[in-house]
Amino acid sequence: AQKVTQTQTSISVVEKTTVTMDCVYETRDSSYFLFWYKQTASGEIVFLIRQDSYKKENATVGHYSLNFQKPKSSIGLIITATQIEDSAVYFCAMRETGNSAGNKLTFGIGTRVLVRP
Amino acid sequence: NSKVIQTPRYLVKGQGQKAKMRCIPEKGHPVVFWYQQNKNNEFKFLINFQNQEVLQQIDMTEKRFSAECPSNSPCSLEIQSSEAGDSALYLCASSLPGVDTGQLYFGEGSKLTVL
Repeated sequence: AQKVTQTQTSISVVEKTTVTMDCVYETRDSSYFLFWYKQTASGEIVFLIRQDSYKKENATVGHYSLNFQKPKSSIGLIITATQIEDSAVYFCAMRETGNSAGNKLTFGIGTRVLVRP
Repeated sequence: NSKVIQTPRYLVKGQGQKAKMRCIPEKGHPVVFWYQQNKNNEFKFLINFQNQEVLQQIDMTEKRFSAECPSNSPCSLEIQSSEAGDSALYLCASSLPGVDTGQLYFGEGSKLTVL
């Protein structure tokens, strides 16, 4: 069965610095998709960035980038030049492509990030 | 801002009461998901649809929950007889069909409290 693990419960950083979050996953599929979402204090869940398993290049969108280490089944999220509004809970998620998985996402339990002035 | 619209944002029910939540997916998205997020931030997949057809659902959904996505009407998730353990944030999400279609788009959720 697919599984996504985020071991860091919470991280606190100073504004304008870089924060890195870990995520490891388990899958038997050779092809899969990895996502990072953030959930704001209001509960809104916002898509941030995606990595397709067959792509070797790390995805980058704005000040979000990924550290994809396929042999380690690891997909870390890096946020550079953090801002106060980056304070949120960040979720890692995986979508397998096998028939038994349908096309649903499996989520980690999240990492709470606090960006302080 | 979310383009997936969920109503109501909050609902409070007594044990044994019905609880019904609705979702309008993003325009052009035929695939709809329902997730339950508990107070520990854990996401539990409940059910998904493509158009009006159920793709997958878990056992809990089959037994106490009912869900549908009728054509030209909002999707809905109903708990027939609420239990205290059902207190959670219920999230609806939509996407394009197929596996290589990218991310799910989430609504803001319906927060259910069962007293």
